[in-house]
Amino acid sequence: EAEVAQSPRYKITEKSQAVAFWCDPISGHATLYWYRQILGQGPELLVQFQDESVVDDSQLPKDRFSAERLKGVDSTLKIQPAELGDSAMYLCASSPSTSNSYNEQFFGPGTRLTVL
Amino acid sequence: KQEVTQIPAALSVPEGENLVLNCSFTDSAIYNLQWFRQDPGKGLTSLLLIQSSQREQTSGRLNASLDKSSGRSTLYIAASQPGDSATYLCAVTDRGSTLGRLYFGRGTQLTVWP
Repeated sequence: EAEVAQSPRYKITEKSQAVAFWCDPISGHATLYWYRQILGQGPELLVQFQDESVVDDSQLPKDRFSAERLKGVDSTLKIQPAELGDSAMYLCASSPSTSNSYNEQFFGPGTRLTVL
Repeated sequence: KQEVTQIPAALSVPEGENLVLNCSFTDSAIYNLQWFRQDPGKGLTSLLLIQSSQREQTSGRLNASLDKSSGRSTLYIAASQPGDSATYLCAVTDRGSTLGRLYFGRGTQLTVWP
């Protein structure tokens, strides 16, 4: 069964360092999402791609976060510099459809980031 | 902005009980509603997706209902088992959002003890 892949699964870093997360969506899925989930809360959208284009990055802290999906397939989310408040689970999801009516999202296993 | 609330925040029950988890949302203009399961430290597993035109969906021991006009959904778990222990998250796709953004509740942490 096709799955969303993410790496690394766990990342520990010191504040002010740079970190990067990678996501490979289910093959053929045009829409890719990055969510951040702080412990005890629900996930919140950081950025959404349609193919290689960003369609929503309104919640992305652009002074330190960047995201790209150069060929419209896999994606990288970067934080530079990391801050203590960035400690969270970073989840990637993909969806096969551009239609909101049938937008079932499939999630990867996540990357747990700890900033010391 | 869409706000999603889940009640209760935590639930602890003995094995075999039938359970109801509640989800409410503030804006009834949604495309669909999804229920997810999340095990500790893991990603999200989709359980059920209900389109806005539907009233309910069933999968095995799970049944989810949707009352869009009142902004409510319930997840019913029949004959609970210890393996059902996890956090259950409700999320809606808002018609006012860009291409399918999900708004999540904080989840209900379920513990089923033998």
